[in-house]
Amino acid sequence: GAGVSQSPSNKVTEKGKDVELRCDPISGHTALYWYRQSLGQGLEFLIYFQGNSAPDKSGLPSDRFSAERTGGSVSTLTIQRTQQEDSAVYLCASSLGSYAYNEQFFGPGTRLTVL
Amino acid sequence: SQQGEEDPQALSIQEGENATMNCSYKTSINNLQWYRQNSGRGLVHLILIRSNEREKHSGRLRVTLDTSKKSSSLLITASRAADTASYFCATVGGGGSNYKLTFGKGTLLTVNP
Repeated sequence: GAGVSQSPSNKVTEKGKDVELRCDPISGHTALYWYRQSLGQGLEFLIYFQGNSAPDKSGLPSDRFSAERTGGSVSTLTIQRTQQEDSAVYLCASSLGSYAYNEQFFGPGTRLTVL
Repeated sequence: SQQGEEDPQALSIQEGENATMNCSYKTSINNLQWYRQNSGRGLVHLILIRSNEREKHSGRLRVTLDTSKKSSSLLITASRAADTASYFCATVGGGGSNYKLTFGKGTLLTVNP
């Protein structure tokens, strides 16, 4: 079937605005992850979902960041009151389960630019 | 936070040559994986090596793992222009998490035709 899809592919917003980033995982994948890639910090883990629950939110950089997953499928990452340091590529990945050897399949990412 | 450090940061070679990239990490791991990224977008999984394995092959890729030195290497043989990309190592485990990928900073490989 289709791979992981993300929308939008690019988002330009003004500082202080809220943004929503969407991820559609591979059908049947119970685990979903968000990562962020920025010039200064490289690739960083943000949050992990198993089903609709998020047992690990340790990578979310501030309380302006939140995420949810519904129906064990689509996930939305929301950034409130965006700041320029939020500019990055946001990558979503999914896997069959959260077993250590489960391959994580990545989407193409959303490039967020905060002006 | 970054777990691994790749070196070199950038590597430029001619088509047909071999490319070797190295990765070092800091904590104990469950497994180590290599990913490729084209044009700063989606990551493609290349190969996974478990902590009890020392070497693994997949096509033109050869990965080694030395847990005593906390290091891994990725060798791409007979490189092609299409191999031009950024390559990242990522570790799993070693901190109670069996799902979180902790990435290194990556090596930018350029293969000149």
